[in-house]
Parts: sequence; structure tokens; C-alpha cells
Amino acid sequence: TQLLEQSPQFLSIQEGENLTVYCNSSSVFSSLQWYRQEPGEGPVLLVTVVTGGEVKKLKRLTFQFGDARKDSSLHITAAQPGDTGLYLCAGSAVAGGTSYGKLTFGQGTILTVHP
Amino acid sequence: DAGVIQSPRHEVTEMGQEVTLRCKPISGHNSLFWYRQTMMRGLELLIYFNNNVPIDDSGMPEDRFSAKMPNASFSTLKIQPSEPRDSAVYFCASSFALMSSYNSPLHFGNGTRLTVT
Repeated sequence: TQLLEQSPQFLSIQEGENLTVYCNSSSVFSSLQWYRQEPGEGPVLLVTVVTGGEVKKLKRLTFQFGDARKDSSLHITAAQPGDTGLYLCAGSAVAGGTSYGKLTFGQGTILTVHP
Repeated sequence: DAGVIQSPRHEVTEMGQEVTLRCKPISGHNSLFWYRQTMMRGLELLIYFNNNVPIDDSGMPEDRFSAKMPNASFSTLKIQPSEPRDSAVYFCASSFALMSSYNSPLHFGNGTRLTVT
């Protein structure tokens, strides 16, 4: 079973601060996806990283996939109250398997940004 | 574009009653996933289908849980009999994925919040 561990579990910061969320595993993943979930809604995809060492930027959000494809990080610069939500990483099995798009999710990081 | 549609949004039932959750995936998607979300366990994959065929149901907690996908546009998750520990938010998600797909994005519905008293 492939497991993903996210840290920290909770993060409470002031507007304007920077933060990093980590997603780690002992398994190798073909890809890692990051989702954001708001109360009362389902998770929504933010980004997919596929290549070891890959860095993707989405406005103030920077995503990195580890060289060994076992870990990933999400960095938010100058956080805003609108960034508040549950951030989930999700991994897909190593290519060549019969995955049909199946994803394993981490426990999530609950981020609260105070004005 | 209509997203994944789940019904009902909220369900409150008494222990022992049958509960049926419904999902309409995005048109053209061929993989459908049922997840359960709780504070303790996070998002757990219960079962998933590809081209209406169940691929892996190893996440279904007990025989009280069953899922069907009679056609490409409809799936149900049934709990019979329900128990208080089944209380959770149940999500349906869909994607277009091949057997070896590994980066297909999941599109989630807004979930059904189930409370069993």
C-alpha cells in the first residue's frame, strides 16, 4: 500500500506570511497532484507534477516534485485569507501498472490565513 | 459544463436503515471513484470503476457496503444496514483514464454528508 504523509496537519498564519506544506512517502510515484478543498465542496485540482525535480508555479503557489519522485512540496508566498482551505496531495502508482487513474491521498493540511 | 453531480447533499438516517447515495459522472469520463472523508482517516478510496466495471473494491469497509454502475452516467453506493460509524462525507469523482494512466485529474462532486444516529 502506498502511503502519503503530509505535514504539518494544521497551519495558522497571518496574511502576508510565507508557508510550505510537505508531502512525503517511502514509495515512488509516477505523478503527484495537489488539490485544494473548501468547506462543503469537493477537492479541486491545483497542479500535477510528473518529472523528478519538476517545479511548477501557479501565481503565488510553487510546487516541487522531489528528484526521486517520493516527495513533493507546496510553497505559498504572501498568503492571503482566500488561500484558506484544506490542501491535499495525491499520488498515482508507478507507470505500467493497472491504475486506471487511481489516486492515493494524504491526510491533508488545514491552512487558515488570518487577515 | 456540468460537473460531477451527487445526491442527496445531506442525509440523516437512523441506525439500521438503508442508505443510497447517487452519482452522475462527467459525460465522457470512463473512471468513477467513491471516496469517504472523515477527520480521523482523511479521504479513503472505497471502490472504483472503469468502463462501468468494478476494478478494485478492497476499500469497501464491510459487506454492508455495495456499489453499482449500471451505465456510464450513473452510480450508486448503498449501505445496508447503516451504523453510526458510517457517518462521514462521501465523495464521488470521475476522470478519463486508461489502464496505465497515472496523471488523470479527478473531478469531484460536492459530496453527500451522511449522519447516522
